[in-house]
Amino acid sequence: DTAVSQTPKYLVTQMGNDKSIKCEQNLGHDTMYWYKQDSKKFLKIMFSYNNKELIINETVPNRFSPKSPDKAHLNLHINSLELGDSAVYFCASSQGRTGYGYTFGSGTRLTVV
Amino acid sequence: DAKTTQPPSMDCAEGRAANLPCNHSTISGNEYVYWYRQIHSQGPQYIIHGLKNNETNEMASLIITEDRKSSTLILPHATLRDTAVYYCIVRVANGPSSASKIIFGSGTRLSIRP
Repeated sequence: DTAVSQTPKYLVTQMGNDKSIKCEQNLGHDTMYWYKQDSKKFLKIMFSYNNKELIINETVPNRFSPKSPDKAHLNLHINSLELGDSAVYFCASSQGRTGYGYTFGSGTRLTVV
Repeated sequence: DAKTTQPPSMDCAEGRAANLPCNHSTISGNEYVYWYRQIHSQGPQYIIHGLKNNETNEMASLIITEDRKSSTLILPHATLRDTAVYYCIVRVANGPSSASKIIFGSGTRLSIRP
């Protein structure tokens, strides 16, 4: 009965590969997000979808492509992985566009070797 | 969104009240103060938010100064499980699409000692 679940929890892959991270929320929220936390522990927003519509697209390389098949799912596909993509990726959801009540997943630790 | 300033680290004895300060001197009238925390290896967790009145919930209390230029998050009886990085964030409650995001700063690393 996890509220925001991400899979996989750990992902180790070689440079140049393509990988996907999946996120699902069962809270009935209409807005979902992807955040990246690098080795220095800074949390940076990457994307946000509201009712399957992309509403935030920060300065992220084109190799990153989010997809939201419905408002309960937001997946992140990464092409041609690079060493600098190694980080923890967090999915989150909220109802509407307020600043409170964000619920985060437990994160996906991506290691590119 | 207004910039916030927090001390990089603090410590507190278990069972005592932990008071975490945050300065937001450029806050606008329609901007709220939000607090989140991140326990090691977990996703951030929402704690509390407020506009100008003091707020309390089951997790913490939020005290906002009358001029709204600073606030304090209070954990009344800190436990070891409260060891985490605490983030103070200021933003509008319902802005345009471009404002629909929480921006995390570097936060305060709170250590609770036994």
